[in-house]
Amino acid sequence: AQKITQTQPGMFVQEKEAVTLDCTYDTSDQSYGLFWYKQPSSGEMIFLIYQGSYDEQNATEGRYSLNFQKARKSANLVISASQLGDSAMYFCAMREGHSTGFQKLVFGTGTRLLVSP
Amino acid sequence: SQTIHQWPATLVQPVGSPLSLECTVEGTSNPNLYWYRQAAGRGLQLLFYSVGIGQISSEVPQNLSASRPQDRQFILSSKKLLLSDSGFYLCACKTPDRNLNYGYTFGSGTRLTVV
Repeated sequence: AQKITQTQPGMFVQEKEAVTLDCTYDTSDQSYGLFWYKQPSSGEMIFLIYQGSYDEQNATEGRYSLNFQKARKSANLVISASQLGDSAMYFCAMREGHSTGFQKLVFGTGTRLLVSP
Repeated sequence: SQTIHQWPATLVQPVGSPLSLECTVEGTSNPNLYWYRQAAGRGLQLLFYSVGIGQISSEVPQNLSASRPQDRQFILSSKKLLLSDSGFYLCACKTPDRNLNYGYTFGSGTRLTVV
């Protein structure tokens, strides 16, 4: 079963507007972490934001915020004031594994965001 | 901070030829290391991971193998490439420390095209 689901293959937004990229996850662990990465056409993975399962407040990093709804198992990324340079693939990922043992990142299939002038 | 060097950046190889992709890590010791593959337009699939020298675990059965001859060196290999091995290969590391919030670093990737 898919552990990270990103239902939006592509999203369009106009420059300076806000956009929400959806991510739902599936886990029975109590302790887990959720990440968002940006992948431009060069292929590098750029870390954007992290949310721990025990964090009570939604994570924010500059123009990025994470709308964490634990009961619904969703961790949507909100990008405010979109810029042309935000055009890229965006991946949601979940850290699996016990906190004192081996851990790995499991990724969704990604959402391609296109920002238009 | 951790830095990952991955090479080559781009590779075009004929079907049936061997493969060797190398990843080296700086700025940390005893990291967990990972090889991911991204097929065109798709997400990242974990291929192999390693928790120490000589310790390799495979996530999916495939035509590839991995080795970790040194603490900060992770190698992805194949004896005979298939067309389906084409993709973007990313090396990643995680330092097994108590900071659980972040810690993951990715290399710049190798774009492999098998022809």
